Amino acid sequence: EIVLTQSPATLSLSPGERATLSCGASQSVRSSHLAWYQQKPGLAPRLLIYDASSRAAGIPNRFSGSGSGTDFTLTISRLEPEDFAVYYCQQFGASPPYTFGQGTRLEIK
Amino acid sequence: QVSLRESGPALVKPTQTLTLTCTFSGFSLSTSGMCVSWIRQPPGKALEWLARIDWDDDKYYSTSLRTRLAISKDTSKNQVVLTVTNMDPVDTATYFCARMSASRNYFDYWGQGTLVTVSS
Repeated sequence: EIVLTQSPATLSLSPGERATLSCGASQSVRSSHLAWYQQKPGLAPRLLIYDASSRAAGIPNRFSGSGSGTDFTLTISRLEPEDFAVYYCQQFGASPPYTFGQGTRLEIK
Repeated sequence: QVSLRESGPALVKPTQTLTLTCTFSGFSLSTSGMCVSWIRQPPGKALEWLARIDWDDDKYYSTSLRTRLAISKDTSKNQVVLTVTNMDPVDTATYFCARMSASRNYFDYWGQGTLVTVSS
């Protein structure tokens, strides 16, 4: 089973700054099998990025994903107040089980 | 439009069996490629994938919880049911159902989740 490790656990930044969130995999993940989600308190996760770098419908272009193999990155170019939330990466192997990272909390500095 | 909604008991006792229902609309689980998964999240903790059922009735389970989980579907009612046996306080969590397509590796629609507390 592939283990995903997200870093940092907590990221403290100000609106307008650039955020870089990392997701490392214990073994190689196909780029088409890596997704990112945003979750706000009390709500379900929201799909941001799929296939490692494709933005989901309605997601602003300040969100971008990159990476391959065992190292993936979610970048938010200029933080807006509504971007402060918890972010999870998830891998979809050729077949289940699927795994999530432990999350990165993006908080206002 | 696509929507999913989870329902089930808010409180169960240790050792009991939990039964959760995901009722969805806007798509059909008889459509080739469609799948529904269950995911849970203990309070303040990370997401954990539990199980998946496909349009052709293929089923997949979490490695660690395989012996306690069962997933099924009622296509005519647009429902997916998850049962979890031998509930324990560590199973206290918000349980979500989510849709995916077998050819697209992501969950595009999620239910709002239902909080299940395990306590005597």
